[in-house]
Amino acid sequence: GEDVEQSLFLSVREGDSSVINCTYTDSSSTYLYWYKQEPGAGLQLLTYIFSNMDMKQDQRLTVLLNKKDKHLSLRIADTQTGDSAIYFCAESIRARGDYKLSFGAGTTVTVRA
Amino acid sequence: DAGITQSPRHKVTETGTPVTLRCHQTENHRYMYWYRQDPGHGLRLIHYSYGVKDTDKGEVSDGYSVSRSKTEDFLLTLESATSSQTSVYFCAISDRTSGRSGNEQFFGPGTRLTVL
Repeated sequence: GEDVEQSLFLSVREGDSSVINCTYTDSSSTYLYWYKQEPGAGLQLLTYIFSNMDMKQDQRLTVLLNKKDKHLSLRIADTQTGDSAIYFCAESIRARGDYKLSFGAGTTVTVRA
Repeated sequence: DAGITQSPRHKVTETGTPVTLRCHQTENHRYMYWYRQDPGHGLRLIHYSYGVKDTDKGEVSDGYSVSRSKTEDFLLTLESATSSQTSVYFCAISDRTSGRSGNEQFFGPGTRLTVL
């Protein structure tokens, strides 16, 4: 996960928007992902974006990609208590002839009433 | 969790003992992965498999071995467990033939391993 960096914690009030930021290093990454991990559970794919896009919207989720700065963000509109979780950014990189995912350390989002 | 189970879900063992974790999938996906999750490090790839009997090392493979004798099962073995291997271990699978989302991976529920 050293190639992908995220801030570790985010606290947000219920109803506000959350923005989670991520930077990555491999300019050849074709896909970038956001995964969500709830306590005691595995990772669940939230959304992904192909590298030739700069924005993707999926209901309350908006992904922004700035390829020039290698910056990815996830915005959650109208944040709810059920959005409290760890969010992982991941890039798909080509290594030794194969594709692998490189994960950030995860951002713990806490939603307060 | 996309037809992925891991066993055991929790294990406590002593330093120096061998430990085997099992990942079982019902999706017939070709690719399988083992990760460990530690605070501040996110997920780090231990080993992965791209087919029956075809495996390769990830970034933190020292002290671990894997085997895949059937499409549906991927075993992770700690030959002689150490306290530094205390972690949560996740298995993941990937089809990669969908072409829709590149290397989208589906994760199992995890195994929490404590080495005393």
